[in-house]
Amino acid sequence: AQKITQTQPGMFVQEKEAVTLDCTYDTSDQSYGLFWYKQPSSGEMIFLIYQGSYDEQNATEGRYSLNFQKARKSANLVISASQLGDSAMYFCAMREAVFGNQFYFGTGTSLTVIP
Amino acid sequence: DVKVTQSSRYLVKRTGEKVFLECVQDMDHENMFWYRQDPGLGLRLIYFSYDVKMKEKGDIPEGYSVSREKKERFSLILESASTNQTSMYLCASRPDGTYEQYFGPGTRLTVT
Repeated sequence: AQKITQTQPGMFVQEKEAVTLDCTYDTSDQSYGLFWYKQPSSGEMIFLIYQGSYDEQNATEGRYSLNFQKARKSANLVISASQLGDSAMYFCAMREAVFGNQFYFGTGTSLTVIP
Repeated sequence: DVKVTQSSRYLVKRTGEKVFLECVQDMDHENMFWYRQDPGLGLRLIYFSYDVKMKEKGDIPEGYSVSREKKERFSLILESASTNQTSMYLCASRPDGTYEQYFGPGTRLTVT
């Protein structure tokens, strides 16, 4: 079974609008971490936001927020007020604490911001 | 700023060649990782290392080996390159006690 599922291969959003990128995960661990990364066309992976499984509040970092629904095992990324520079691939990832260094990545969502 | 560098951005090798991909980090991180990235498959972990000379297999170690002789350097070795190893290879590092990985710029390897 896939550990991380991103069901949206491509998304379009109008500039200045908000967009939600979906991510569901599968783990039996109680302690785990969820991440979102951005990969522009230049190729580097940029860390955006982190949510720990025990964090009660949804994580926020500037225009990024993570909508964490533990019972549904979902960790959607919300980007508010989209900008042209947000056009990129976005990857959801999970780290299971038991294994420490074992990270699982989804297949990614390509976001295009339309002027 | 944390810096993770990879020896080449682009590399073209022939089938059967031995290939070395080098990764260096300058922040004394204990943990280092090698991933490959393929369209529609995301990033998949090949190997990671949590200390000098220590290594662990990831999800897809077949056809690869690694070396970590110094803390700052983590090498990925393709003993006999094959066309199905054509991919983007990403190196990352992470200090103990934190959750964030820092990625290098990637090496796009083509095996012909």
